[in-house]
Amino acid sequence: DTGVSQDPRHKITKRGQNVTFRCDPISEHNRLYWYRQTLGQGPEFLTYFQNEAQLEKSRLLSDRFSAERPKGSFSTLEIQRTEQGDSAMYLCASSGGALPYEQYFGPGTRLTVT
Amino acid sequence: EDQVTQSPEALRLQEGESSSLNCSYTVSGLRGLFWYRQDPGKGPEFLFTLYSAGEEKEKERLKATLTKKESFLHITAPKPEDSATYLCAVSGYSTLTFGKGTMLLVSP
Repeated sequence: DTGVSQDPRHKITKRGQNVTFRCDPISEHNRLYWYRQTLGQGPEFLTYFQNEAQLEKSRLLSDRFSAERPKGSFSTLEIQRTEQGDSAMYLCASSGGALPYEQYFGPGTRLTVT
Repeated sequence: EDQVTQSPEALRLQEGESSSLNCSYTVSGLRGLFWYRQDPGKGPEFLFTLYSAGEEKEKERLKATLTKKESFLHITAPKPEDSATYLCAVSGYSTLTFGKGTMLLVSP
């Protein structure tokens, strides 16, 4: 049973560039979540998919952020025109089955915007 | 709006010195209270889910308890490898609301 995987693990980009992150959930999980975490804070919810449908988005998710989950499998999170304030750890989690509220997290993607 | 407050922010223990971490919460319609462990630079690792007041769960040196307003994570005879940040979260509808965590350091 493989866990949640994320790629890349680290990304350094210049301000104004676009970046895309990928998340592969636990195979039998139909729910997928994106969170953002900054130093000294707990993870903050960004968006949530059930299968391929994006059901909820946080106010934190500005127009520069977009997420997709084609075919209800892996998901991508794209940030356009990155800003220094976007520097953070981006975490993906998945849940499903008999315990739909138990979320299992991936290792995260550390984004640094210079 | 769901809220989670964890205390203390940081805790330093000697190996073998038992203690408790606190998580106070307000949520509309609790679907679960969750404890996670997070090591530096890594994603949160799931520890426990508690669903109703009075429930308790144990795993090795850790025991989690739940009341209607707060949860405690008791650490019995901790070891240096228990050093990490412990995160508490609540699930209202579909997403998790996290506290800022308690950073635990256990010295040998």
